[in-house]
Parts: sequence; structure tokens; C-alpha cells
Amino acid sequence: GNSVTQMEGPVTLSEEAFLTINCTYTATGYPSLFWYVQYPGEGLQLLLKATKADDKGSNKGFEATYRKETTSFHLEKGSVQVSDSAVYFCALLPGAGSYQLTFGKGTKLSVIP
Amino acid sequence: EPEVTQTPSHQVTQMGQEVILRCVPISNHLYFYWYRQILGQKVEFLVSFYNNEISEKSEIFDDQFSVERPDGSNFTLKIRSTKLEDSAMYFCASNTPPDTQYFGPGTRLTVL
Repeated sequence: GNSVTQMEGPVTLSEEAFLTINCTYTATGYPSLFWYVQYPGEGLQLLLKATKADDKGSNKGFEATYRKETTSFHLEKGSVQVSDSAVYFCALLPGAGSYQLTFGKGTKLSVIP
Repeated sequence: EPEVTQTPSHQVTQMGQEVILRCVPISNHLYFYWYRQILGQKVEFLVSFYNNEISEKSEIFDDQFSVERPDGSNFTLKIRSTKLEDSAMYFCASNTPPDTQYFGPGTRLTVL
């Protein structure tokens, strides 16, 4: 079946540090890949997505590239801010008529001034 | 910006009781979903709903669970006889595929 594995947290970084959160997936066919973010007390919000191999999703300085050869979709940001403190979820949508998202476990990021 | 809303934000119930979790999806969306997250574990898909019937469901969504769209705006998840292991955060989502699923803030269910 489909699965998503992302690096365990929590991750603590200083402001302006470089961020990488690793995500790998297992799926048949050609899934779409997503990063969702959850700020304290709020729901899951889409951060970025990529729908096919070699696509790069980007938003708010975050980027992730859909790598089919390594089945990965790592999240990166060059310079994190305190306001980026949140839980980040990697997810896949299998396609082929299925709309159920499969999520990773989530990585809690804390950015300290 | 339109958003998915959920009520209540926190529900406490006794084991064996029935609970109904409520969601108001975004008004022009056609698909509705429930997911749950047990503390410290992954967000898991429960069920999707389209055109007044279940479209997909997971193994978790057994006979204890049911979903309903009782009127033009609400979408509910009912758990008939709650168990301790039903304690989790329950998220509602909606979309019109292939667009992104929009999630609500969640309802924390605590079963005592």
C-alpha cells in the first residue's frame, strides 16, 4: 500500500538557519505529493505541492522537488523565521480516482530567535 | 477566504456513549472527508463522501462510524459507541477534485 515516511522531530533551529525535513514515499502509479503545515491551534494548511516527477513546489520561501528516482519530496527553506514554528506533514495522493491522502507522522519545527 | 469549520473544538465523553462531530465544509465543494490523528501518530484517512454517499473508506471506518450530510451545509461524523481508542483529533476536509483538500481546525475527542 501507500506510505509516507518523514524525519522524526522535534527539530529546533535558530532564526535564519537552513531547514531540511526529509520525506520519502512508497506508492504505486504516479502520486501527487504535498506538504501541509499546522500552526498551533489551527487546521492543516497546504504549504506546497507537486503533481509529477521533477516538479518543484514552492511557497513562502519553502521548496520541495518531486524526485521519482529516490521517491523523495524533501522540504527546504534557506532561512527560517520564528513564525515558521509549526508541525509539517508530508502527504501523498495516489490518483487514479482515489482522493484519500496518506500522511507522514509530522515533524515539529521550533525556531528560536 | 472561505474555510472549513468544525464544532465542538473539544468533546469529552464516556466510553460507550454516542458522539456526533460536526463540520461545515466550504460551500461550493463537492467532496467531504474525515481524517483522524491519534496523539503522536499519523493523520489517517477515515472516509470520503460525494453525492450523498460514501466514496471511499478505510479499514478504520467500521460499523461504529457513520457519516451524514443532514442539510445543505453540515457534514457529520457519528461514533455510535465510543471506545478509549477513539480518543483522537478528528479533522474534516473538503474540496472539488483535483483541487487541494482544505482542512478544518479539528475536534479533539477524549473518551474516558
